[in-house]
Amino acid sequence: EAQVTQNPRYLITVTGKKLTVTCSQNMNHEYMSWYRQDPGLGLRQIYYSMNVEVTDKGDVPEGYKVSRKEKRNFPLILESPSPNQTSLYFCASSSPAAPGEQYFGPGTRLTVT
Amino acid sequence: QKEVEQNSGPLSVPEGAIASLNCTYSDRVSQSFFWYRQYSGKSPELIMSIYSNGDKEDGRFTAQLNKASQYVSLLIRDSQPSDSATYLCAVIIHTNAGKSTFGDGTTLTVKP
Repeated sequence: EAQVTQNPRYLITVTGKKLTVTCSQNMNHEYMSWYRQDPGLGLRQIYYSMNVEVTDKGDVPEGYKVSRKEKRNFPLILESPSPNQTSLYFCASSSPAAPGEQYFGPGTRLTVT
Repeated sequence: QKEVEQNSGPLSVPEGAIASLNCTYSDRVSQSFFWYRQYSGKSPELIMSIYSNGDKEDGRFTAQLNKASQYVSLLIRDSQPSDSATYLCAVIIHTNAGKSTFGDGTTLTVKP
């Protein structure tokens, strides 16, 4: 089954404690992205990657890091989380033949206290 | 001005009616347009993509694109309660195809 997986699905953490949210896809997609979704603000792109070792900032990259060492994985790293990073996070992937036709993961709900 | 704006909701229509969802974008270079549906507590799923001016139909859904007016819409015919969801409009620019910009979404409720 074609899918994008994220882990963990739910996470409660404290300010300043480094965390990583993993994302993996099994569709051999070159393109992968991370989004955050907050009430009334829609989906905002954090980072995207168009291939292995190629990453670029989206609209809200501050406080986040990513890496793309393998095609299937695109982890999101919060090195010093703050309460304003409390949000619902989605990973997505797509093919370069149709980059805007994205497949989304199930989401990770993060709470930073 | 936001890059992608959707008509403010919520939108409520009776079952069987046509639901019309609208989206305007500010960047004339935008070239590809997408409609995603997101049920409450779920992730977005693609329902329509449109790449050229005109209409594109898929079952009960029709996407309409007017690049001159920088306007894309989604019509849902014979609306069903199962269509109740938030609809997100997204655009990309081919010169930077990895970057997607989404609107804030319009919440549709179809009443039986």
